[in-house]
Amino acid sequence: AQSVTQPDIHITVSEGASLELRCNYSYGATPYLFWYVQSPGQGLQLLLKYFSGDTLVQGIKGFEAEFKRSQSSFNLRKPSVHWSDAAEYFCAVGGTGNQFYFGTGTSLTVIP
Amino acid sequence: NAGVTQTPKFQVLKTGQSMTLQCAQDMNHEYMSWYRQDPGMGLRLIHYSVGAGITDQGEVPNGYNVSRSTTEDFPLRLLSAAPSQTSVYFCASRRIRGGGTDTQYFGPGTRLTVL
Repeated sequence: AQSVTQPDIHITVSEGASLELRCNYSYGATPYLFWYVQSPGQGLQLLLKYFSGDTLVQGIKGFEAEFKRSQSSFNLRKPSVHWSDAAEYFCAVGGTGNQFYFGTGTSLTVIP
Repeated sequence: NAGVTQTPKFQVLKTGQSMTLQCAQDMNHEYMSWYRQDPGMGLRLIHYSVGAGITDQGEVPNGYNVSRSTTEDFPLRLLSAAPSQTSVYFCASRRIRGGGTDTQYFGPGTRLTVL
């Protein structure tokens, strides 16, 4: 069955510290992987996506993610977090089919 | 481009009432979808459409109805609202020519409360 697991419900980091948000997926075919960010009361905005090629992908706002097929993971990273990064982050998996699966989200708090 | 628009932003219903959540996009996307977002459960796919006249069920379709008469519009109907349908609803659209690699664009959401 297709699924996405985000094991960390909530993470708190200090401003300027590095960040890693974990994502593991289960998908029966070649996965297309996405990270979205949701600010309070807003819709979802795409940060980055991976579907082939270089396993380290760069996204907007200084985020990057690395696809590791052997670990079924697609972790999101940022070297230095800004207060404006406080939001909810969702990992998602899709493929050539028409269904799309989201993780339960990780809420990020940034301490000044 | 306005992108994906949703109306209303907020709605309160009584149990048993029906209503339609509106979704429109101006990007000429073939694929449109509806999700519901509940605390601790992420987003779950309700229904989707790959073009006018074509719809299919997602993960949680019960209690919802959809139709797609135009490329631009994809309304979601609640036939008889239940408290379990209290949620935030998001509409999204994307191209389908990329075979699933294309970015999904999300609307701002509709917050629905069923009393």
